[in-house]
Amino acid sequence: NAGVTQTPKFQVLKTGQSMTLQCAQDMNHEYMSWYRQDPGMGLRLIHYSVGAGITDQGEVPNGYNVSRSTTEDFPLRLLSAAPSQTSVYFCASTPGTAAYGYTFGSGTRLTVV
Amino acid sequence: DQQVKQNSPSLSVQEGRISILNCDYTNSMFDYFLWYKKYPAEGPTFLISISSIKDKNEDGRFTVFLNKSAKHLSLHIVPSQPGDSAVYFCAATYTGANSKLTFGKGITLSVRP
Repeated sequence: NAGVTQTPKFQVLKTGQSMTLQCAQDMNHEYMSWYRQDPGMGLRLIHYSVGAGITDQGEVPNGYNVSRSTTEDFPLRLLSAAPSQTSVYFCASTPGTAAYGYTFGSGTRLTVV
Repeated sequence: DQQVKQNSPSLSVQEGRISILNCDYTNSMFDYFLWYKKYPAEGPTFLISISSIKDKNEDGRFTVFLNKSAKHLSLHIVPSQPGDSAVYFCAATYTGANSKLTFGKGITLSVRP
């Protein structure tokens, strides 16, 4: 049971480049989310999904796109990377209620130069 | 406006003593609260939670107390162990939030041997 798998673990981008952060879970969880962690800022919600085909914006969605074509996968796309998007990104999933506690991936550390 | 506040950025305690981590919230709609623990270079892991219908929840060495009138919760770790040294995040959600979590900025706990 792999849980939540994020790839890549590290990435360096140039300003203006695009890329996709991958997230996959094998627990058949309906709810998935993307968070970013910045020093002194805690974890902030970027986008979330309550099931395949359904996504919505979180607290800091600008510059990011998501899609949810399957229950298992929830990729995060950076359209045109900016230095302000330098951060650690975490994907998380839960069966359907926060009462179960989200399972987080190990993170992607992204640097935009 | 920060809805979940962890005002103390760090805490240092002696091994074997009690660690008390505090968290305040401003949104009266929050009815479920969670604590996550995070080691460097890893994703957050779910630790313990509490519903607003309770004022205490215990799991081994970890106890969370909720004071709804003061909009305050605290995590007690007794006895503290060096392996407890990590960043602890307080998070909150409410019924109808689609399990979206709002996190505090985190507290770095150091347990001295």
